[in-house]
Amino acid sequence: AQSVTQPDIHITVSEGASLELRCNYSYGATPYLFWYVQSPGQGLQLLLKYFSGDTLVQGIKGFEAEFKRSQSSFNLRKPSVHWSDAAEYFCAVDVTGTASKLTFGTGTRLQVTL
Amino acid sequence: GAVVSQHPSWVICKSGTSVKIECRSLDFQATTMFWYRQFPKQSLMLMATSNEGSKATYEQGVEKDKFLINHASLTLSTLTVTSAHPEDSSFYICSVPSQQAGGAYNEQFFGPGTRLTVL
Repeated sequence: AQSVTQPDIHITVSEGASLELRCNYSYGATPYLFWYVQSPGQGLQLLLKYFSGDTLVQGIKGFEAEFKRSQSSFNLRKPSVHWSDAAEYFCAVDVTGTASKLTFGTGTRLQVTL
Repeated sequence: GAVVSQHPSWVICKSGTSVKIECRSLDFQATTMFWYRQFPKQSLMLMATSNEGSKATYEQGVEKDKFLINHASLTLSTLTVTSAHPEDSSFYICSVPSQQAGGAYNEQFFGPGTRLTVL
């Protein structure tokens, strides 16, 4: 069965600093990969996704992620973090191709200091 | 993205009672909805797939008699936690696949979640 690992439970960065959140997956082939953000009182919001093609994908709110097949990774990055980025971030994989079974990582809580 | 709502946003109940959580797709019809459970500081775990007009499909290890799912209409799915106990306390989240909203690619639109606390 596929699995998703987010090694960092909690990360603190200063506003304006760069950010990288790590995500590793375990699956025999290349799954569909997603990054979601969860803010209190709001549903999970899709930041970006990778299905195929260019391994560097751009998302909303200035986020990007790079798929590295050799490392089975899909790390999320942002060059300059804003205080409003403080939230919980989840990496997820879908091996069905129909978004019917998403397997989520345990999440990384981002704290932004001013 | 599509708008998915849940009601209530939080609920507290006594042990042994049943609690119903609603998930509504506000701007499109959904023949399929998903129910997730999220424990504090943990990941989301898929519980079941709600199917309009047929029985729900439960993931392994999820008690179908404990978590009753009814896809009452094309815009409403309900999750009823029967005879709730403290260990059922959790954050329950529903979602709708993008294909239901005419989306061109695969993703899910999530509701804001319902926090259940069983005393």
